[in-house]
Amino acid sequence: NAGVTQTPKFQVLKTGQSMTLQCAQDMNHEYMSWYRQDPGMGLRLIHYSVGAGITDQGEVPNGYNVSRSTTEDFPLRLLSAAPSQTSVYFCASSSGLGYNEQFFGPGTRLTVL
Amino acid sequence: KNEVEQSPQNLTAQEGEFITINCSYSVGISALHWLQQHPGGGIVSLFMLSSGKKKHGRLIATINIQEKHSSLHITASHPRDSAVYICAAASGNTPLVFGKGTRLSVIA
Repeated sequence: NAGVTQTPKFQVLKTGQSMTLQCAQDMNHEYMSWYRQDPGMGLRLIHYSVGAGITDQGEVPNGYNVSRSTTEDFPLRLLSAAPSQTSVYFCASSSGLGYNEQFFGPGTRLTVL
Repeated sequence: KNEVEQSPQNLTAQEGEFITINCSYSVGISALHWLQQHPGGGIVSLFMLSSGKKKHGRLIATINIQEKHSSLHITASHPRDSAVYICAAASGNTPLVFGKGTRLSVIA
């Protein structure tokens, strides 16, 4: 199993550009989530999904869109990049919430100029 | 919403020392997760616990449900233990709430 994969590993954008961060898992997990990690802030939830076709907002959803058309894939779209979105982005999956091990992708380091 | 606090924020230890990292939360939980992140690296799950104690090698995690507190202990610390340790609280069907992490540096 590849686990949770994320692409790209690094990305530099200019302000106003759009892009999609890809996340895929091969463990048939229902729950997937996107986090951003900033110095001193810890992991903050952007969006999450409890199954194909179901998504919900997390703590910091503004400026980001998600969709979940399949169990395996959960892409994160930046609509119009801003310098405040410079961060490291992690995708995670698990069988469910609560007492279920969380599996994280390797992260994407995004810089917005 | 659950509030998760970790202490200390930063910790420097000499190789061989016994280390304790603390995590407290404000609302009853179904599980407490401990995660590890090496510098520049990904995040891996160390423990999930809902009661008592779990041990894996030199790492021990304990939880006191009544006091809403968990600890992560590292015995005979080693420089390869240098990492950020993160606790996260799970409550029912709501997303995990994460602490801000404890940065541990173990010096040889």
